[in-house]
Amino acid sequence: SQQGEEDPQALSIQEGENATMNCSYKTSINNLQWYRQNSGRGLVHLILIRSNEREKHSGRLRVTLDTSKKSSSLLITASRAADTASYFCATGQGAQKLVFGQGTRLTINP
Amino acid sequence: GAGVSQSPSNKVTEKGKDVELRCDPISGHTALYWYRQSLGQGLEFLIYFQGNSAPDKSGLPSDRFSAERTGGSVSTLTIQRTQQEDSAVYLCASSWDREETQYFGPGTRLLVL
Repeated sequence: SQQGEEDPQALSIQEGENATMNCSYKTSINNLQWYRQNSGRGLVHLILIRSNEREKHSGRLRVTLDTSKKSSSLLITASRAADTASYFCATGQGAQKLVFGQGTRLTINP
Repeated sequence: GAGVSQSPSNKVTEKGKDVELRCDPISGHTALYWYRQSLGQGLEFLIYFQGNSAPDKSGLPSDRFSAERTGGSVSTLTIQRTQQEDSAVYLCASSWDREETQYFGPGTRLLVL
């Protein structure tokens, strides 16, 4: 069963705008990760945030984690057409399996 | 360096046939994972290897599915007597021992007719 649930399921914005995606989960975690998937094939790791962290940045990406609400958000600033993809959150409990959400399909319109 | 590779990229088979999917992890990665992504089901964990042993097989959907890993490197996922519901993209990932980040291959798209 899927632990993570992304919101929204689909998001369409204009190039240059910011995109925010949310993820909720159910059980305790060691870390939460965000992955990107283009064209339904391999996933690319974007960022990992540990359970004792609240916010993390990587380039145009900003991730927050609220363990009390069991939720995370991914913000992509100054979006580009190349950011068009599906984005998944995944929760981990150590170096073992990841449990993925259903994903958010992001479309950046030029 | 080389990433995770998977073969074949695409596989079309007839219902009832057996298929083998191969994964070559990143050199030196001790952990290897198989996931399945199908329409409406999202990404599902299948099996996890640490070295050649599989401490977690909890995601294998039936006894028609099996996987092995030899030499702590290459892994093969075998599906026997394929069914149409086995149609999906099968993704392999690997990671360093105790590292949480997983590195994914491009996947094998399996279509069972």
